[in-house]
Amino acid sequence: EDQVTQSPEALRLQEGESSSLNCSYTVSGLRGLFWYRQDPGKGPEFLFTLYSAGEEKEKERLKATLTKKESFLHITAPKPEDSATYLCAVQAYRREGKLIFGQGTTLQVKP
Amino acid sequence: DTEVTQTPKHLVMGMTNKKSLKCEQHMGHRAMYWYKQKAKKPPELMFVYSYEKLSINESVPSRFSPECPNSSLLNLHLHALQPEDSALYLCASSPIPGQGSYEQYFGPGTRLTVT
Repeated sequence: EDQVTQSPEALRLQEGESSSLNCSYTVSGLRGLFWYRQDPGKGPEFLFTLYSAGEEKEKERLKATLTKKESFLHITAPKPEDSATYLCAVQAYRREGKLIFGQGTTLQVKP
Repeated sequence: DTEVTQTPKHLVMGMTNKKSLKCEQHMGHRAMYWYKQKAKKPPELMFVYSYEKLSINESVPSRFSPECPNSSLLNLHLHALQPEDSALYLCASSPIPGQGSYEQYFGPGTRLTVT
């Protein structure tokens, strides 16, 4: 069964304190792994797509990496505006169109 | 432009009402999706339209009726809902696989309250 597990559930950081969010997955035939950011009461905002092990993507203070079993979202020198819930999702070749989401990691960055 | 729009932003309806949620995208995407999201949970897929045809129905109750009038528009018709249907309803769109990318772009959502 396809499954995505994110850890930790919640993370509190001081401004400038770098850390990583983890997304472990099991899927038969990975088409892509996606990272989204979601602010309370709003729709998820697309961040990154990773397709194959070894791939890395960067955007401002965020860097996403992918192995055959997990993905990391590294946050370097975070700011309070990075506070949000970060969602990881996978898509399998045999279930075209369906995203399997993890439960998310809620990040709070304090000034 | 990676914008998906949804109307209304908020909707309060009684259990005997009929209402519709609307979604629009102008990115030339040919796949569109409806999701339901409860508080502190990830989005749950409800329906997928591919080239204006329903391709996935995740065993959604018939009180939810999707419609895709054209490649840019997606509606969700609501009838005889239950209080437990209160949630954030999200629309998303994506290019059809084979055109380079598979990511889904989400709209801001409609906050639905059933009284």
